[in-house]
Amino acid sequence: DQQVKQNSPSLSVQEGRISILNCDYTNSMFDYFLWYKKYPAEGPTFLISISSIKDKNEDGRFTVFLNKSAKHLSLHIVPSQPGDSAVYFCAARRVGGGKLIFGQGTELSVKP
Amino acid sequence: KAGVTQTPRYLIKTRGQQVTLSCSPISGHRSVSWYQQTPGQGLQFLFEYFSETQRNKGNFPGRFSGRQFSNSRSEMNVSTLELGDSALYLCASSPGLVGNEQFFGPGTRLTVL
Repeated sequence: DQQVKQNSPSLSVQEGRISILNCDYTNSMFDYFLWYKKYPAEGPTFLISISSIKDKNEDGRFTVFLNKSAKHLSLHIVPSQPGDSAVYFCAARRVGGGKLIFGQGTELSVKP
Repeated sequence: KAGVTQTPRYLIKTRGQQVTLSCSPISGHRSVSWYQQTPGQGLQFLFEYFSETQRNKGNFPGRFSGRQFSNSRSEMNVSTLELGDSALYLCASSPGLVGNEQFFGPGTRLTVL
């Protein structure tokens, strides 16, 4: 049972344009969401997070949007840079803490 | 501060063998979680340890086990290896049990032949 889903395995974007990565979840008990970025041969690194009491969180070029009614979150990267090329994972955590549930990942390729 | 370290980085085993992977968390972090990453499956949670006690366990067979030592270092063991166990095994640490953010190590790439 995949509680966190990233339905696009890959995404290709031109440098300077916007990258939008999507994530859907099924469990309404999730209250905290995170995005991680992973380069080959490295572990995932934390990128940005959002609490369920917010609908938007911004950090530089990265913005995460949360739509609780649709159980959907998205990560926007503006402007996209070649160094952003990596696999992006969204993750969710239930109320009260505990383990993170990860999506399958989306491989972003930003072309010069 | 040193990051999360995992040893070995690469490992090749044959079916039926057993393997032990090691993880040293960031100094001061008491929670260690283990994940399996395979293509198309994302990161699958294996287990979480806090203060030497297993706090959460994922949906993996009993061949997968782990432990945590008093210095917070953790090991995971896989017995009777199967071809499908080939994956990247990632360890993550966080300061406490209810952490918002986990810090990952580089992983151990296990290949089962």
